[in-house]
Amino acid sequence: AQSVTQLGSHVSVSEGALVLLRCNYSSSVPPYLFWYVQYPNQGLQLLLKYTSAATLVKGINGFEAEFKKSETSFHLTKPSAHMSDAAEYFCAVKWYRDDKIIFGKGTRLHILP
Amino acid sequence: NAGVTQTPKFRILKIGQSMTLQCAQDMNHNYMYWYRQDPGMGLKLIYYSVGAGITDKGEVPNGYNVSRSTTEDFPLRLELAAPSQTSVYFCASSYSPSGEGGQPQHFGDGTRLSIL
Repeated sequence: AQSVTQLGSHVSVSEGALVLLRCNYSSSVPPYLFWYVQYPNQGLQLLLKYTSAATLVKGINGFEAEFKKSETSFHLTKPSAHMSDAAEYFCAVKWYRDDKIIFGKGTRLHILP
Repeated sequence: NAGVTQTPKFRILKIGQSMTLQCAQDMNHNYMYWYRQDPGMGLKLIYYSVGAGITDKGEVPNGYNVSRSTTEDFPLRLELAAPSQTSVYFCASSYSPSGEGGQPQHFGDGTRLSIL
C-alpha cells in the first residue's frame, strides 16, 4: 500500500539552528508533494508544494524542501530556526489516478531557547 | 476572507447521541473533504465529495454520514456517538482533485469533539 513516512514524531532544535524534518514516500514517483504546518488549535496551512517544475522548492517562512527521486524523499529544511516555527508539520503526497492526498503522521517541532 | 468555516468549534456529546458538524466554504471549490485527527496518527480521510450530489468513502467512514446538496456546504453526521469518535475533525476544500495541478487543500480550524 502507498504510504508516507515522517521520521521522528518529535524534533527539538535550538533557536538559530538548522531545522530538518524528514519525509519519505513509498513506491513509484508521486506527481505532487506537499508540506503543511499546523499551529495549536488551528487547521493545516500549506507551506510549500512540489509539482515537478523544480526539485528544490521554496515555501513560506524561509522553509524549503528538496525532492530526491532516488531516495524517495522530500525533506523539509530551514537554515535558522525561530521560536515561531514551533508547530506540527505534515508531509502529504498525491499519486496519479487518486483523488485523495495521503498525509504522514506529523512531526512536532520544538524550538529550544 | 472566510475560506473554510467549521461549526461548532467544541462539543461534548453523550454516548448514543447524534450531531452534525457543519462545514461551509466560500471559494466555489468543487472538492471537499472530512478528516479526523488523533494524536500521533496524522489525518485520516472520512468522506469526500467531488461536487454537489456526489460523495464517496474515505479510509475511516464507519459511524459517519455525509451529504452535499450545495457546492458550499458539506455537513458530517454522527448518528450514534461512540467514545472512539472522540477526535478533532477537519474539513477541507480544493479547487481541483486533491493535489492535482498542485492545488492544495484549504482547511478549516477544526471541531473538537468529545464523546463521554
